[in-house]
Amino acid sequence: SYELTQPPSVSVSPGQTARITCSGDELPKKYAYWYQQKSGQAPVLVIYEDIQRPSGIPERFSGSSSGTMATLTISGAQVEDEADYYCYSTDSSGVLWVFGGGTKLTVL
Amino acid sequence: EVQLVESGGGLVQPGGSLRLSCAASGFTFSNYEMNWVRQAPGKGLEWVSDISSSGNTIYYADSVKGRFTISRDNAKNSLYLQMNSLRAEDTAVYYCARALYSGSGSYPGYWGQGTLVTVSS
Repeated sequence: SYELTQPPSVSVSPGQTARITCSGDELPKKYAYWYQQKSGQAPVLVIYEDIQRPSGIPERFSGSSSGTMATLTISGAQVEDEADYYCYSTDSSGVLWVFGGGTKLTVL
Repeated sequence: EVQLVESGGGLVQPGGSLRLSCAASGFTFSNYEMNWVRQAPGKGLEWVSDISSSGNTIYYADSVKGRFTISRDNAKNSLYLQMNSLRAEDTAVYYCARALYSGSGSYPGYWGQGTLVTVSS
């Protein structure tokens, strides 16, 4: 089955740039999406179609994708950005939903 | 405003059954693919099952195939998940998610708040 691989944790100081990666063999052909999940809450979409930012998401969140790796960048991370982040994409058929294992972002 | 409200979670013994429901509002339910996604305590998100807008096409994760059944009632704007032969490893928060569409497939565009299923004796 198809897998997306993320680092388990990333840690930065407030104001620094946080980068979270997601690797998958289908990413050259499929979009990557990023979700933020704070404790006890449902996931929230922060990046869609590799680079697009939904309305209401701060400009410090950006996405990029090159080859088999997608990256979520938080420029000037803030304490309130502490959360788990999940990448998402589909398998080669475009039908089955696949999530990465998640990355815990610590900002302190 | 899109709203998805799950219900039906609770404590069940191993081998038991449970039926989850998801009540949808704020959009034309019959036009959209729907999914169930779960999250075990302290773990990541795991896709469980997908059903097309008409209900004619269904997919399951290997971990639940043969035990879980997804269905929908477009007249009632409702999505269901019948869970049988439950195991301890099925313990999770179960989210209902509505799809949005892009050039490379669908993705979870809206989520409910989830309902907790605990499988324990």
